[in-house]
Amino acid sequence: QVQLVESGGGVVQPGRSLRLSCAASGFTFSSSGMHWVRQAPGKGLEWVTLISYDGGKKYYADSVKGRFTISRDNSKNTLYLEMNNLRAEDTAVYYCAKEIGTPFDSWGQGTLVTVSS
Amino acid sequence: QSVLTQPPSASGTPGQRVTISCSGSSANIGGNSVNWYQQLPGTAPKLLIYSNSQRPSGVPDRFSASKSGTSASLAFSGLQSEDEADYYCATWDDSLSGWVFGGGTKLTVL
Repeated sequence: QVQLVESGGGVVQPGRSLRLSCAASGFTFSSSGMHWVRQAPGKGLEWVTLISYDGGKKYYADSVKGRFTISRDNSKNTLYLEMNNLRAEDTAVYYCAKEIGTPFDSWGQGTLVTVSS
Repeated sequence: QSVLTQPPSASGTPGQRVTISCSGSSANIGGNSVNWYQQLPGTAPKLLIYSNSQRPSGVPDRFSASKSGTSASLAFSGLQSEDEADYYCATWDDSLSGWVFGGGTKLTVL
C-alpha cells in the first residue's frame, strides 16, 4: 500500500534553515508529481510547492518563493523540502502528498516545524 | 484570506442532507477541476472527491459533488456521525500558477 513518511521537523530559530524529507513506498515514485502542503496550528491547509515526476518543473506559493526549494531523488524514492530564512509564520505541520493523475491522492502523516526563538 | 471561499461551519442531524459550497473565480474553479478533501480530527487529509464529482474507490456514494461556473459544492445525503470533520475544496489557479485550497468548513453532526 502507499506510504509517505515525512521527517526532519523540529524547533528552529527564525532566520535558520531546515530540510524535510518524505520517504515514499508502495507506488512508482518516479512517475508521480509530489507536493508539500502545510497546516498552521488550528488553521486550514496551504499548498506550498509541487515538483513534477522528473524534477523538471517546480511551482511555489508566493509565501515561500525564494526561501523554500523542493527537490527529489528518484533513486531513493525520497522527496525533500529545503527551507531557508524561516519565519514564525512558517510554523506548521508539513505534509507531503502524491499526484498520479489525481492531485493529493495520498498524504503522509505530517511533520511539525516550529519556528521560535 | 483564501482564494476559494467556503463557509467556516456547517451542521446537520443524522440522516439529514447537507451541502458545503466553494466559491472561486474564472482563474481557478471556472477553468479547472475541483477536488474535495476530508480531514478527520487529528489526522492527515484524505481525498474525498476528484475531477469535480468523481469518488475514489472506498468513498461511500452518500458523498457527492458538483461544479457550476465558478462555484462547486459538496453534498452529504444521509449525514452520519463519522462525517464530523473539516472539509476543503482545492483547485489549480491559472493566475497564481499554483494550487489553492478553500479555508475549510467544519462540519458538525448534531
